[in-house]
Amino acid sequence: EAGVTQSPTHLIKTRGQQATLRCSPISGHTSVYWYQQALGLGLQFLLWYDEGEERNRGNFPPRFSGRQFPNYSSELNVNALELEDSALYLCASAGGFSPYEQYFGPGTRLTVT
Amino acid sequence: LAKTTQPISMDSYEGQEVNITCSHNNIATNDYITWYQQFPSQGPRFIIQGYKTKVTNEVASLFIPADRKSSTLSLPRVSLSDTAVYYCLVGGLIAGRRALTFGSGTRLQVQP
Repeated sequence: EAGVTQSPTHLIKTRGQQATLRCSPISGHTSVYWYQQALGLGLQFLLWYDEGEERNRGNFPPRFSGRQFPNYSSELNVNALELEDSALYLCASAGGFSPYEQYFGPGTRLTVT
Repeated sequence: LAKTTQPISMDSYEGQEVNITCSHNNIATNDYITWYQQFPSQGPRFIIQGYKTKVTNEVASLFIPADRKSSTLSLPRVSLSDTAVYYCLVGGLIAGRRALTFGSGTRLQVQP
C-alpha cells in the first residue's frame, strides 16, 4: 500500500513569493493534517482537512491556507513568504476510525531567501 | 488546549529499557495520547496510542495513570536504531473541532 506522498521534495522561493505544496493521503484516508517543523524544532499544527472541509487551524496567520480536493489530496499555500517560513512542511493522513494514528509523508523542505 | 512537556534529551545503552514521560496537566476528557518517532529528514512514524491504563504493541508500551496528567512511553531493550526524537501528541475535540498539541520532542541517544 502506498504511503503519504508529498511534492515537491524541495522548494526554494524568495521573500514575497507564493509557495504551493501538495499532499496525497493513503488510500481510504479522508483526513489530511499539515504541520510546520522549523529546523531543529518540534511540530507545529497548521491545518486539518476532512471530507473536503477545513476543520481546524493552528495559530498561524491567514497567509497560510489550503484546500482538500474530492480525491482527498490536499494543497497548502503560503502567500507573501517570509524568511521565517523556511521549514520542513509535513503532511499526515488519518482514517476516521483512528484519527490520531497519523501517517506522515516525507515532507517538503521550503527555503525562503 | 492541552500543553505538553517532555525532557529535551535522554541517553541510554543498547539492551536497556527506556522510559520517556510526557506531562499534559490540562488534558481534556476526550483527548487521546499518541507517541511518534522521528528520524532526521523523515516524517514522524506512529508508535502507539492510548486513552488510559496500559497499552502494549510489538514495539512499545504506553502507561497512563488514572489522572491522565502524564504518560510514559516504554521502549524495551533499545538498540542503536532507536536513536531518534520521540514526540507525544495529545489530541481531542474542542467544540467539535479537533485540536492537536505535539510535545517538543525528546531526543534519545542510544550508545553501544
